[in-house]
Formats: sequence, structure tokens, C-alpha cells
Amino acid sequence: DAKTTQPPSMDCAEGRAANLPCNHSTISGNEYVYWYRQIHSQGPQYIIHGLKNNETNEMASLIITEDRKSSTLILPHATLRDTAVYYCIVRAPSSNAGGTSYGKLTFGQGTILTVHP
Amino acid sequence: NAGVTQTPKFQVLKTGQSMTLQCAQDMNHNSMYWYRQDPGMGLRLIYYSASEGTTDKGEVPNGYNVSRLNKREFSLRLESAAPSQTSVYFCASSDLWVTGELFFGEGSRLTVL
Repeated sequence: DAKTTQPPSMDCAEGRAANLPCNHSTISGNEYVYWYRQIHSQGPQYIIHGLKNNETNEMASLIITEDRKSSTLILPHATLRDTAVYYCIVRAPSSNAGGTSYGKLTFGQGTILTVHP
Repeated sequence: NAGVTQTPKFQVLKTGQSMTLQCAQDMNHNSMYWYRQDPGMGLRLIYYSASEGTTDKGEVPNGYNVSRLNKREFSLRLESAAPSQTSVYFCASSDLWVTGELFFGEGSRLTVL
């Protein structure tokens, strides 16, 4: 799985958009970009994933550059409850019973996002 | 909705003692995983089970054994606990065929003295 690089920490004002960047310059053509977050002491929570098109769900938007070497997670209206560690992960999808990447996720250090009042 | 349930939530062991962490999921997922997280670190994969009846080593398997008891349950055993195994352990599950989204439990906090 491709390695990712994220800034160690970021700050955001409550109500503003939080834009979290991730570099994955060695990403392969079949590798997806996943975002998870971990609120203090809890298990990680899935946010969103994408391959090459931009994606949006009720939690966030994911913008992937055309060359797929970087992406940005956008929390459109950050709240205090969004304070967490955000992990950007790149991995190949589960394909068939003979494959070996059965959802293995390699977590890096992530970005500590602090949302201020 | 229970999701992924881990027991116990907290445990203190002495060096050399053994224990088993239990994990159960009620989402009919095929794949299950055990991760550990040390202070200030990301999660590291210990073992995983792609489907019932199979288990494979992850990044840091030494000192651990696992059992996929059935589709719902995946246990992690420490045969002879060491202080280096002091950590927070997370169990997760996923549907093999769909998005690969992992659902995590609340974690089990283990201290080895």
C-alpha cells in the first residue's frame, strides 16, 4: 500500500471549513484513498473514501487531484466535536477470495485537528 | 445496534500471565482484525481473519495468537504477557466484498506490570 504524508497538526475555528491535506505520491492505479478519524480514546471511525472522483457524504467531502498524488478532506462546518486525529490511508480494494489485501489498513501518525470556539 | 463489542475494556496483568481478549460483531461481516495502539502512535495490525476459518499475521504478530471461533467472534490471546504489550487493543470488522470500511470496537486497555 502507498505511503501517505499528513501535517502533524492543524487548527480550525468552529463553524469554518476544515481542509485536511494528504500526500500520496506513490499511489497505484487501483488504490483507494480512505479517511478515518479517532476521537480521543475511542475506536477509529470511517469518514469517506474515493478512487479518483470527488466524493461527498453526510460527514465530509473528499477532493482528489487529477494525478491522484494528493487529496483533501473537507469538513464543511467544523464543530468542537470534530476535534480528533484524522488518518489518510491508501490501499488496494478487497477483490476476491484469493487476494491478500483483505481490508488491511496501515495507519500513520495522522493529523491532530483542533477545532476552537 | 451493538456493532463490534470487545471484552474486557480494562485489564491489568503481571508479567508472564496469560489472557484472552474477546471480540464479537453482529454485522455478519466476513473479515475481522486486531490492532494495537501505543501512546501517541497510529494503529498497528496484529492479526487478521479474512474469512471464517482463516487467520493471517499482520505487522506485529509476535507474542500473540488468535482464534476465529466462528463468523461472529475473533479472539486475541497473550500467552505470556510482557510490559511491551501494554497498549490499547482494537478489534475491527469489515465486509470483504463491499467498501472495505472497517468498524471498530471501543478498545481494550491492557497494562502489563
